[in-house]
Amino acid sequence: DMKVTQMPRYLIKRMGENVLLECGQDMSHETMYWYRQDPGLGLQLIYISYDVDSNSEGDIPKGYRVSRKKREHFSLILDSAKTNQTSVYFCASSLGGGLYAEQFFGPGTRLTVL
Amino acid sequence: AQSVTQPDARVTVSEGASLQLRCKYSSSGTPYLFWYVQYPRQGLQLLLKYYSGDPVVQGVNGFEAEFSKSNSSFHLRKASVHWSDSAVYFCVLSSTGGNNKLTFGQGTVLSVIP
Repeated sequence: DMKVTQMPRYLIKRMGENVLLECGQDMSHETMYWYRQDPGLGLQLIYISYDVDSNSEGDIPKGYRVSRKKREHFSLILDSAKTNQTSVYFCASSLGGGLYAEQFFGPGTRLTVL
Repeated sequence: AQSVTQPDARVTVSEGASLQLRCKYSSSGTPYLFWYVQYPRQGLQLLLKYYSGDPVVQGVNGFEAEFSKSNSSFHLRKASVHWSDSAVYFCVLSSTGGNNKLTFGQGTVLSVIP
């Protein structure tokens, strides 16, 4: 069953705390992505990973970092979370990172930073 | 630079009625266009995609979209909507001038009323 999973689904943190969002996929896709979704803004790309330890900044990388040590796992880390990082975060994966590669999305993590 | 505009933030239609969701894009390269759907509390799922050839592409669940290069548009249509079509619909652009990244529209919230 082709699937992208995200943990946790809901998270509440205080400003200044560290946050770890985890993503897994069982399709052996090389390319994985982290997005955030805010009302009225669609999805914005935070980071893209082309394979293990091969990561590139997306459009809004500031305040985030990522880790990919296994092809099937991709983590998003917020060091010292800020209130403006309250959002819904989506992980996605694709077979290759080409222009027309279909992306498969996880169910999202709703993060609230107080 | 590339951009996507979905001019209608919300659309409400009656069950059984026809539907058109509008999408306009701007791209400096060859565009590759997608429509994704997001059901409540879920990730995004691909409805259909256009790469080249026949400007009318068929997708899942009776959806189709028509690409127009002259109008820079990629409108989504369905002949007869069902209540289960209520969701958020995203028009998405990838292009040869966009560094292999997806650009998302703001999304259109579709409500189907009985």
